[in-house]
Amino acid sequence: GAVVSQHPSRVICKSGTSVKIECRSLDFQATTMFWYRQFPKQSLMLMATSNEGSKATYEQGVEKDKFLINHASLTLSTLTVTSAHPEDSSFYICSARDPGRGNEQFFGPGTRLTVL
Amino acid sequence: GENVEQHPSTLSVQEGDSAVIKCTYSDSASNYFPWYKQELGKGPQLIIDIRSNVGEKKDQRIAVTLNKTAKHFSLHITETQPEDSAVYFCAAIGGGFKTIFGAGTRLFVKA
Repeated sequence: GAVVSQHPSRVICKSGTSVKIECRSLDFQATTMFWYRQFPKQSLMLMATSNEGSKATYEQGVEKDKFLINHASLTLSTLTVTSAHPEDSSFYICSARDPGRGNEQFFGPGTRLTVL
Repeated sequence: GENVEQHPSTLSVQEGDSAVIKCTYSDSASNYFPWYKQELGKGPQLIIDIRSNVGEKKDQRIAVTLNKTAKHFSLHITETQPEDSAVYFCAAIGGGFKTIFGAGTRLFVKA
């Protein structure tokens, strides 16, 4: 149990386009989901915390108008990178918290975004 | 702000030897300490965790120790195997469920 999926696994897009990444909890309801960005050979950096039915909480330095987060249901959160630029190229990873398991978070497999 | 320091950044061991990775956290409210293994191109996978009311936990070749007073926790891998080669991250989580990751340790196990 506690499986989190992400779609797509990798995406290549042109500069200026928008890209949507989906994060789904497959076998549990996630009241809270988290979005991370990871650059090569670096750690995971929290971008925002997404709570179902309310606005996401963004970390300092993360532009909320550029990284739109929607947590419309207890099993789905989406991250939209708007007007993507090459510097947005990164590995984006989501995680979901299962309220029934306390503090444990379950991570998705990640989405590799390449902006040309 | 909250911070988790992790050492070493790179660790190379011979197959069969032990590997130890150490972390220090700053937020005294942290009460849950997971360890993740990340292989290239994949998301982190939880390998072991420990809660603040426990000092040590073991799962086969992997063990974690926690010293709350010193705010230290460590990962111990015994009898290392080539497939243990990966990047390992420690993390600390407090009441707000915000996960603070260490910088990661790249472990190489030489056959």
